[in-house]
Amino acid sequence: EIVLTQSPATLSLSPGERATLSCRASQSVGSSLAWYQQKPGQAPRLVISDTSNRATGIPARFSGSGSATDFTLTISSLEPEDFAVYYCQQRSEWPRTFGPGTKLDVK
Amino acid sequence: EVQLLDSGGGLVQPGGSLRLSCTASGFMFSSRAMSWVRQAPGKGLEWVSTISGLGFETFYADSLRGRFIISRDNSKKSSYLQMNSLRAEDTAIYYCANGGHMSSFDSWGQGTLVTVSS
Repeated sequence: EIVLTQSPATLSLSPGERATLSCRASQSVGSSLAWYQQKPGQAPRLVISDTSNRATGIPARFSGSGSATDFTLTISSLEPEDFAVYYCQQRSEWPRTFGPGTKLDVK
Repeated sequence: EVQLLDSGGGLVQPGGSLRLSCTASGFMFSSRAMSWVRQAPGKGLEWVSTISGLGFETFYADSLRGRFIISRDNSKKSSYLQMNSLRAEDTAIYYCANGGHMSSFDSWGQGTLVTVSS
């Protein structure tokens, strides 16, 4: 199965700062990589699909990039509501797999 | 607006069975795959199973194949997860989601908690 590794495990930043989250795949997933946001006590929410497509209702400060095995989620200027856990997920092969998550918390 | 309402969780003894349901609205149900994703307490997300729009294709996590069965009833806009021979390690919040086959998991239900304990 394709193993996804996310770094860093925890990212401590202040509102207004830029966040860069990484996801690395054990083999190429092409562009079939998504990002999800999960806040405590809530269901996950799709943020980015297929590497760089913002989901409905996701602000423009969120952007995704990358290809093959290396992907990045960037939040250009953090808002208070952006602090959450972010997971990457591949749909290139079965089984579908998720990364372990990056916790973005307030510095 | 897409809405997914998952239900059916609860406390079950090891070896027991449980059937989860997910009722959808706000999109053309039969045209979308449906999936189940779980999250053990304090842990990350784990994909469980996906069924294609017309139900002809099903996919399972290797560790669950043979114990869990996914199905759907397009006339009721519902998806189901039959869970058999439950173990303590199956304890988790189970989320239904649309997509997962030819797309990402686009929308998610609120989750239903399954606790396997004696």
